[in-house]
Amino acid sequence: DQQVKQNSPSLSVQEGRISILNCDYTNSMFDYFLWYKKYPAEGPTFLISISSIKDKNEDGRFTVFLNKSAKHLSLHIVPSQPGDSAVYFCAASGWNSGYALNFGKGTSLLVTP
Amino acid sequence: GAGVSQSPRYKVAKRGQDVALRCDPISGHVSLFWYQQALGQGPEFLTYFQNEAQLDKSGLPSDRFFAERPEGSVSTLKIQRTQQEDSAVYLCASSFGQRNSPLHFGNGTRLTVT
Repeated sequence: DQQVKQNSPSLSVQEGRISILNCDYTNSMFDYFLWYKKYPAEGPTFLISISSIKDKNEDGRFTVFLNKSAKHLSLHIVPSQPGDSAVYFCAASGWNSGYALNFGKGTSLLVTP
Repeated sequence: GAGVSQSPRYKVAKRGQDVALRCDPISGHVSLFWYQQALGQGPEFLTYFQNEAQLDKSGLPSDRFFAERPEGSVSTLKIQRTQQEDSAVYLCASSFGQRNSPLHFGNGTRLTVT
């Protein structure tokens, strides 16, 4: 069963605008959440993370928001750049899953000039 | 090296053959993970090592899958009697070992079983 869900397989955004990628999870034991970015033929690269004790974490153009009551997190990219075009994976872990990360299926972001 | 290195990058095996996939983690990283990524899916956890100890192998899909890390550095994922459903990208990742240390992934080995 998919415990981390990314319901939008793809997203297209114009350069300079905001990109919002969404992620839902079902396991209430998850307490740490991460976003990874993946280019074709490369491995995923860590982007940003958030602990369940926070509701927001910001790093440059990237901000992750966590809504624990809704079991929902989102990644905001402002402003979007063509180099941001990639597949973005949401991942989560919890004490009951040990060190294993549970990944969503990914959202393919295309930033057009 | 600068990053996690995996070899080979591509592997084609005939059904029934055995394959061995290698992972060189980042120097100093005590934790090593193997993930399987099928087409159009996210990575799925296979197994986890802390140094040479295999602490979690709950994700290995069958007893045809075996992983080892005998000296706590290089790891090998072996798949015996490959089946078509084993076709996927196999990703290796390493980290410093704290639970929330970000994983650093290699570029993966794409296995195609014909």
